[in-house]
Amino acid sequence: TQLLEQSPQFLSIQEGENLTVYCNSSSVFSSLQWYRQEPGEGPVLLVTVVTGGEVKKLKRLTFQFGDARKDSSLHITAAQPGDTGLYLCAGVTYSGGGADGLTFGKGTHLIIQP
Amino acid sequence: SQTIHQWPATLVQPVGSPLSLECTVEGTSNPNLYWYRQAAGRGLQLLFYSVGIGQISSEVPQNLSASRPQDRQFILSSKKLLLSDSGFYLCAWDRDNREQYFGPGTRLTVT
Repeated sequence: TQLLEQSPQFLSIQEGENLTVYCNSSSVFSSLQWYRQEPGEGPVLLVTVVTGGEVKKLKRLTFQFGDARKDSSLHITAAQPGDTGLYLCAGVTYSGGGADGLTFGKGTHLIIQP
Repeated sequence: SQTIHQWPATLVQPVGSPLSLECTVEGTSNPNLYWYRQAAGRGLQLLFYSVGIGQISSEVPQNLSASRPQDRQFILSSKKLLLSDSGFYLCAWDRDNREQYFGPGTRLTVT
């Protein structure tokens, strides 16, 4: 069973600050997704990274996939209260029979205080 | 475009009562379908997944069951609810075991 460790588990910062959250594993993933979930709602897909070393930007959010495809980071610049939520990473592995499905981390709870 | 629906949105049920949660997907055919449970403030626990009509795989042994009577319909059931069944239930779909798209969820409280 592949495990994805997310850190920190909780993070509370002031509006305007920068932050980075991490997603780490001992397993190699063929792709990795980041989701954001707001209270009482389902997770919403933010981005998928596929290539080792890949960097994707979504406005103030920067996602990076590690060179060895075992880890990923999410950096938020000038955080806003609207960034508050649970950030989940999920990785895909492929075996000889095809994709093994998604493995989810437990998430980082992010609170941006005005 | 594809959409995924879940109902009911919230449910309060006594211990020992039956359960039926429904999930339907629109705008795609032959999706993979998933049921997850999320405890308060925690990550997602995969309960069941289905790659086709009548094909159900269980990830966690428990008093819940799932069925897929139609291509785009996924149902989560229980004959007798336990207190520990309380949680936020999410249905999701994908086409290639990669990016999953989630429904709005059902908040279940067992009293």
